[in-house]
Amino acid sequence: DTGVSQNPRHKITKRGQNVTFRCDPISEHNRLYWYRQTLGQGPEFLTYFQNEAQLEKSRLLSDRFSAERPKGSFSTLEIQRTEQGDSAMYLCASSLESLAGRGEQFFGPGTRLTVL
Amino acid sequence: AQSVTQLGSHVSVSEGALVLLRCNYSSSVPPYLFWYVQYPNQGLQLLLKYTTGATLVKGINGFEAEFKKSETSFHLTKPSAHMSDAAEYFCAVSVWGANNLFFGTGTRLTVIP
Repeated sequence: DTGVSQNPRHKITKRGQNVTFRCDPISEHNRLYWYRQTLGQGPEFLTYFQNEAQLEKSRLLSDRFSAERPKGSFSTLEIQRTEQGDSAMYLCASSLESLAGRGEQFFGPGTRLTVL
Repeated sequence: AQSVTQLGSHVSVSEGALVLLRCNYSSSVPPYLFWYVQYPNQGLQLLLKYTTGATLVKGINGFEAEFKKSETSFHLTKPSAHMSDAAEYFCAVSVWGANNLFFGTGTRLTVIP
């Protein structure tokens, strides 16, 4: 299967701990997006990369959040000093630049974070 | 800025009945519109999309949607509901050059046997 993959699928952590999620996009896709989905809500945009460059960050991405895509392939999203409000599903999506202009994105299965 | 309103956070239909999930969008420029389905603890699967061209769009699993500019709507329909259609459905909007999708709050579809 050559779709978007995310690891881990589930993460339970205690408040104050750091967590890191990984996203592997579809191999030829140069754009990669992170979204957050809280219970009962639709996904909300966090940030996106074109190749290794992080080109846009939402105001939802507080200083405790950092995302990287060091080689323009996989990406990591780290949350430092987690809070209970960080509990959510974190979704990754990827796209080709030629498709991205029309909004076409392919989503991974998500990582569900629970902060106790 | 773009936005989406999904009317009805929960919709229940009987198996075999018509499914109608409502989506209205707001955009100052021509929109691109999408419907995604999400099963419990899963990611988003694209059902169908409108970018340009024909306003009646057919998707997977027998779903279709019609882009109505005059009504700023993109309602999702399926003639006959199946038990496997029970899931959460999200409408989303984007525009040319935007770097993200704007999602509605979702509609949970329940199919009653």
